[in-house]
Amino acid sequence: AQKVTQAQTEISVVEKEDVTLDCVYETRDTTYYLFWYKQPPSGELVFLIRRNSFDEQNEISGRYSWNFQKSTSSFNFTITASQVVDSAVYFCALSESRDDKIIFGKGTRLHILP
Amino acid sequence: DGGITQSPKYLFRKEGQNVTLSCEQNLNHDAMYWYRQDPGQGLRLIYYSQIVNDFQKGDIAEGYSVSREKKESFPLTVTSAQKNPTAFYLCASSMGEGSGNTEAFFGQGTRLTVV
Repeated sequence: AQKVTQAQTEISVVEKEDVTLDCVYETRDTTYYLFWYKQPPSGELVFLIRRNSFDEQNEISGRYSWNFQKSTSSFNFTITASQVVDSAVYFCALSESRDDKIIFGKGTRLHILP
Repeated sequence: DGGITQSPKYLFRKEGQNVTLSCEQNLNHDAMYWYRQDPGQGLRLIYYSQIVNDFQKGDIAEGYSVSREKKESFPLTVTSAQKNPTAFYLCASSMGEGSGNTEAFFGQGTRLTVV
């Protein structure tokens, strides 16, 4: 069965610090897809990134970077030089190749303090 | 504009009444989803549909029902059998194709309060 664990319930950092959000997943499928979403106070989920299981190349997009490691079943998300606008709940999600079902972790609430 | 529309944004109902939450998308997506969000619980999948006239139960389907008569629409009915219906409900859609290869896009959510 598929499962996503985000062990960090809540994190607070001071603005301009770097912060890493952890995500560990479980799946029996050899082909799967991982996602990160951001949920600002407005409530709507915003898609950030998708990663395929056969592509372990890490990715950087501006201040955001993602570290995908199949050996440890982890897909961690780092924000560099955090800003107050980064304050939100961040969700990691998993989908297997067999169907379109998408399972989410419980989320990490990130507070960036000015 | 293309997107997913959930209505209403806030909904109040008396205990024991069924209530239907609306979700419409004009993205021509095949797959649609309903999630429930409670504090500290993340997003839990209620139902999803990969194609018209077909849908599957998620992890917490008890007390809910859905229909998928049109590609654009995936309404969710919260029945009186649902013991704790007060929650934030999110609808989403994705291209689908049965491969899990596409991300889901979300509506703005409906906050249901049962009194």
